[in-house]
Amino acid sequence: DTEVTQTPKHLVMGMTNKKSLKCEQHMGHRAMYWYKQKAKKPPELMFVYSYEKLSINESVPSRFSPECPNSSLLNLHLHALQPEDSALYLCASSPQRTSGSHEQYFGPGTRLTVT
Amino acid sequence: AQSVTQLDSQVPVFEEAPVELRCNYSSSVSVYLFWYVQYPNQGLQLLLKYLSGSTLVKGINGFEAEFNKSQTSFHLRKPSVHISDTAEYFCAVTPDILTGGGNKLTFGTGTQLKVEL
Repeated sequence: DTEVTQTPKHLVMGMTNKKSLKCEQHMGHRAMYWYKQKAKKPPELMFVYSYEKLSINESVPSRFSPECPNSSLLNLHLHALQPEDSALYLCASSPQRTSGSHEQYFGPGTRLTVT
Repeated sequence: AQSVTQLDSQVPVFEEAPVELRCNYSSSVSVYLFWYVQYPNQGLQLLLKYLSGSTLVKGINGFEAEFNKSQTSFHLRKPSVHISDTAEYFCAVTPDILTGGGNKLTFGTGTQLKVEL
């Protein structure tokens, strides 16, 4: 099973709302990622969790707050977003090996619209 | 640091024709190479990967890619495309684990493959 699930599929929120995106994987992967993707562009890395600890934060604004409650779950809490934050938010996971690669498996994404 | 160049932003091709999507990379260390496909309104799906060994890598959906170290290229090919192959294709690299990398993928800008009847 190489599936990463994300909920919701679509989300419309106002600039004063608080919402959360959820991601789940059951592949035993110990690294999980959040990406932001604008139309016609490659994904941009936001955060990486390795063994449930935040290991990479790509200077993301504090209105995005990640959380990794356990090795299978990853959340992205959203607060006071701006219209320019509208995008496809992708979650990914990968194994953490001592050899070989950390190939990443992506979920279907959450299409976020900020009004 | 690594960089990836996908020279063609769009590649139109007729159904059942062969196609090649080009990818060149730059890196001062050894890298692992990947091709991902993204269908409209979906996430990215791993097509194939090169880690080491044979330079010709076979992936899903009849795609294959060849790693050429001297030309720092990893071009994607399919001998006969189908309408359903219409999608965005991303080439990506990551430093190999022995050089401390692995968690950061560097993507190319993508190539839109449009298969026409």
